[in-house]
Amino acid sequence: EDQVTQSPEALRLQEGESSSLNCSYTVSGLRGLFWYRQDPGKGPEFLFTLYSAGEEKEKERLKATLTKKESFLHITAPKPEDSATYLCAVQEEYGNKLVFGAGTILRVKS
Amino acid sequence: AAGVIQSPRHLIKEKRETATLKCYPIPRHDTVYWYQQGPGQDPQFLISFYEKMQSDKGSIPDRFSAQQFSDYHSELNMSSLELGDSALYFCASSFAGAGANVLTFGAGSRLTVL
Repeated sequence: EDQVTQSPEALRLQEGESSSLNCSYTVSGLRGLFWYRQDPGKGPEFLFTLYSAGEEKEKERLKATLTKKESFLHITAPKPEDSATYLCAVQEEYGNKLVFGAGTILRVKS
Repeated sequence: AAGVIQSPRHLIKEKRETATLKCYPIPRHDTVYWYQQGPGQDPQFLISFYEKMQSDKGSIPDRFSAQQFSDYHSELNMSSLELGDSALYFCASSFAGAGANVLTFGAGSRLTVL
């Protein structure tokens, strides 16, 4: 059964203090690893898809990387507006549904 | 750009009542997914449809049913509601092309069961 574990559960940063979120996964054939951002009471918002180990993608202050067992979401010089829950999810090779991790709640204080 | 439309946004029901949630996917998307997210929980997959046929089934209670119609919109029907059914229900859609399918989520329907 697919498993996705995210750490830490919660992270408090000062504005400008860079850090990384971790997502470790177990899946029988990875079709894609996804990162979503979710604000309270809203639907997950797509950030990145990573397909194979060694791949990296960047968007503004966010950079996602992938190895065979885990993914990292690096946040460089975060701002208060980056505060949200960041969800990691995997998609199997022969399926379309996403299996989510429990998420990391990020709070950035000015 | 058009997004996934869900209705109603908020719904309050009594125990043992019935509720129906609606989802209108992004035009030309052929797959619809339903997820349930309890307070402080990650989204849990319920069920999905590809070209109007059920394609995958997750932890959907027997009291729930869903279908996708000819215009590709989908409805999630929930009967004999229980307090534990109170949650955010998200619909997502995707286009089943080559490579990983990016799911685009709607804003959700918040169901409160009293």
